[in-house]
Amino acid sequence: DAGITQSPRHKVTETGTPVTLRCHQTENHRYMYWYRQDPGHGLRLIHYSYGVKDTDKGEVSDGYSVSRSKTEDFLLTLESATSSQTSVYFCATQTSISTISSYEQYFGPGTRLTVT
Amino acid sequence: SQQGEEDPQALSIQEGENATMNCSYKTSINNLQWYRQNSGRGLVHLILIRSNEREKHSGRLRVTLDTSKKSSSLLITASRAADTASYFCATDANSGAGSYQLTFGKGTKLSVIP
Repeated sequence: DAGITQSPRHKVTETGTPVTLRCHQTENHRYMYWYRQDPGHGLRLIHYSYGVKDTDKGEVSDGYSVSRSKTEDFLLTLESATSSQTSVYFCATQTSISTISSYEQYFGPGTRLTVT
Repeated sequence: SQQGEEDPQALSIQEGENATMNCSYKTSINNLQWYRQNSGRGLVHLILIRSNEREKHSGRLRVTLDTSKKSSSLLITASRAADTASYFCATDANSGAGSYQLTFGKGTKLSVIP
């Protein structure tokens, strides 16, 4: 593992409440990503970061926001959770994009979120 | 939308047999990667093949890439029960401004029966 932790690992929340998931890395990787994994859809990119305070939207960003105030932490916030956001959320990191060997992404263990 | 689509969705084989999974994608790529996911865990990188490569080996893994057909295959030889996992292909799409994104397929679930 590349020293990636996610918290919490499991969460149950009610519709309409805000939720923040945290990804923490100890590898000083520049790039960080949030994906969601749903049956029949594989992994879909929500948001990503290419540096501190540099973030951009992915394929399924509606209803989500992110922040990255320091290299090691990437936060994903569900502003007002809905049942459609029930999913498993994965954080990933990547060292850089400067060489072919740096294209590998390292994944955290995932957070299982249930919105009731 | 998904860039890569794996085939088959599920595959069950006996230990010792070879397992072949296929991935098709839609647009031009720079590189294609394969990842493995054990049940309840995060994905783990297996191998990367560049768009100008046709075949690559890593241990019991063999990956081929046919850019004219926009397809790749992953072969696992002499499978073991520990190979039981889901396998995903991922293609890249440089987005400019120093960013980099992977687009994952839906995966093939491999079961290796002891």
